[in-house]
Amino acid sequence: GAVVSQHPSWVICKSGTSVKIECRSLDFQATTMFWYRQFPKQSLMLMATSNEGSKATYEQGVEKDKFLINHASLTLSTLTVTSAHPEDSSFYICSAIRAGSYNEQFFGPGTRLTVL
Amino acid sequence: GENVEQHPSTLSVQEGDSAVIKCTYSDSASNYFPWYKQELGKGPQLIIDIRSNVGEKKDQRIAVTLNKTAKHFSLHITETQPEDSAVYFCAASSLSSASKIIFGSGTRLSIRP
Repeated sequence: GAVVSQHPSWVICKSGTSVKIECRSLDFQATTMFWYRQFPKQSLMLMATSNEGSKATYEQGVEKDKFLINHASLTLSTLTVTSAHPEDSSFYICSAIRAGSYNEQFFGPGTRLTVL
Repeated sequence: GENVEQHPSTLSVQEGDSAVIKCTYSDSASNYFPWYKQELGKGPQLIIDIRSNVGEKKDQRIAVTLNKTAKHFSLHITETQPEDSAVYFCAASSLSSASKIIFGSGTRLSIRP
């Protein structure tokens, strides 16, 4: 149990286009989901906290208008990278906290974004 | 906010030997300390965790210790095997921080055959 999926697993897009990444909790309800970004050989950096039915909370330095987050249901959160540029190329990872769980996070497999 | 420091950044051990990774944290309110293993191109996988009301936890070849007073916690892997080669992250979290997990910088563990 406690499986988190992401789609797509990788995506290549042209500069200036928008890309949507989905994060799903497959066998549990997630009241809270998190989005991370990881550059090569670096640690995971938290971008935002996504709560079902409310606006996401962004970490300092993360542009909310560039990284749009929608947590429309208890099993789905989406991250849209708007007007992507090469510097947005990274590994994006989501995680989810199971409803009623004590802050244990389950991570997705990640999405590799390459912006040309 | 919370700051987690992790050492060493790289670690190479002979197969069968033990590996130890150490972390420190800054926020005394942190009460949950997970450890993750990340293989190339994949998301982090929880391998063991410990909560602040416990000083040590063991799961087969993996053990974690926590010293709340010193704000130190460590991962111990015994009888290392080639499949243990990966990047390991320590992390800290607290309910007061909305369960946000703050990661250490990672340790690249290599097991020499």
